[in-house]
Amino acid sequence: DTEVTQTPKHLVMGMTNKKSLKCEQHMGHRAMYWYKQKAKKPPELMFVYSYEKLSINESVPSRFSPECPNSSLLNLHLHALQPEDSALYLCASSQEQRLAGINEQFFGPGTRLTVL
Amino acid sequence: SQQGEEDPQALSIQEGENATMNCSYKTSINNLQWYRQNSGRGLVHLILIRSNEREKHSGRLRVTLDTSKKSSSLLITASRAADTASYFCATTGNQFYFGTGTSLTVIP
Repeated sequence: DTEVTQTPKHLVMGMTNKKSLKCEQHMGHRAMYWYKQKAKKPPELMFVYSYEKLSINESVPSRFSPECPNSSLLNLHLHALQPEDSALYLCASSQEQRLAGINEQFFGPGTRLTVL
Repeated sequence: SQQGEEDPQALSIQEGENATMNCSYKTSINNLQWYRQNSGRGLVHLILIRSNEREKHSGRLRVTLDTSKKSSSLLITASRAADTASYFCATTGNQFYFGTGTSLTVIP
């Protein structure tokens, strides 16, 4: 299984809502990533988990809260988002973070988030 | 922050022609990777070239790397309509950065 799955595919939420994005992989990868991508822009790294521990937080606002319950799952909890947070949120995994430059990252299809 | 700049930003060619896109980066790297993204979808890894390699082939793809100029190019030969997508270079040194991307349109 070389697939990264993400749910939901689309999400519309109000600024007062609380929602979660989910990501799952069964490739035995020990590094997992969250990216944010605006239209016609490259993905921007948000968080990196290595062996279920948060290793990189790219100065992301606290209204985004990541969680890695186990080595196969990665969640992104959303609360009090702003309209400018509307974007495609991509999850990825790789064998290990320290080997990120050697091993490719496998990406999920993304969650299209709209904040009203 | 982004490490790589790509040009052209957009490229439109006829099916069967070759497509070349370039990536320039700023600091030392361990390797450079190329990814493809179909509209609104996840990214797909295409090819990786290590910092001690100069050229690499994979099917219709040819990648070159010039570390002295801090640049790389991706050549897609005999393009097909299905190659229409955005292409990103990604560099790895201390971090993993995506370039600004090239939007390729192949006209049938």
